[in-house]
Amino acid sequence: KQEVTQIPAALSVPEGENLVLNCSFTDSAIYNLQWFRQDPGKGLTSLLLIQSSQREQTSGRLNASLDKSSGRSTLYIAASQPGDSATYLCAVMDSSYKLIFGSGTRLLVRP
Amino acid sequence: DAGVIQSPRHEVTEMGQEVTLRCKPISGHNSLFWYRQTMMRGLELLIYFNNNVPIDDSGMPEDRFSAKMPNASFSTLKIQPSEPRDSAVYFCASRTLSTDTQYFGPGTRLTVL
Repeated sequence: KQEVTQIPAALSVPEGENLVLNCSFTDSAIYNLQWFRQDPGKGLTSLLLIQSSQREQTSGRLNASLDKSSGRSTLYIAASQPGDSATYLCAVMDSSYKLIFGSGTRLLVRP
Repeated sequence: DAGVIQSPRHEVTEMGQEVTLRCKPISGHNSLFWYRQTMMRGLELLIYFNNNVPIDDSGMPEDRFSAKMPNASFSTLKIQPSEPRDSAVYFCASRTLSTDTQYFGPGTRLTVL
């Protein structure tokens, strides 16, 4: 059974810092890996999607990498801003085309 | 586009009552997903539809839960009878079959007393 783990569970950094969020999964047979952002009281917003054949994806200050063989992904946020404060969720799409989510990393960027 | 629309946004009910959650997917999307989010279990897929047909309902916790999609623009998730442990935020998401990106609604926060 696929399990997705995110470390750390919470992170507090000063504005301007570069940071890395980690995601690991137990079964490397995935179709893709996705990173989402969730703001309090709101739904999820898709940030980046990496297909299983890809190594990384970039969008603005965000860069996500995928190492399928080791079951790991990282989300790199450059020059963090208070507006980046949210919960970041990692999810893998399994062989049944279902998304399996991690428990998230709660990020606080202090002004 | 207005995005995925869910109603109600908040629901408080008493144990034993029937609860119906509603979802309108993004126009043109032909896959719809129902998720449940709790502190203990995180975000879990309950059921999903392709072209209004239920494809996988293995995440539906019990027979008390049922979901329907009578047409491409509307879906319901019903709990009957409701129990306190059903308290959670229920999300609906939709996508087109040609992409893997899902678009989530704002969720319905359900509290069963």
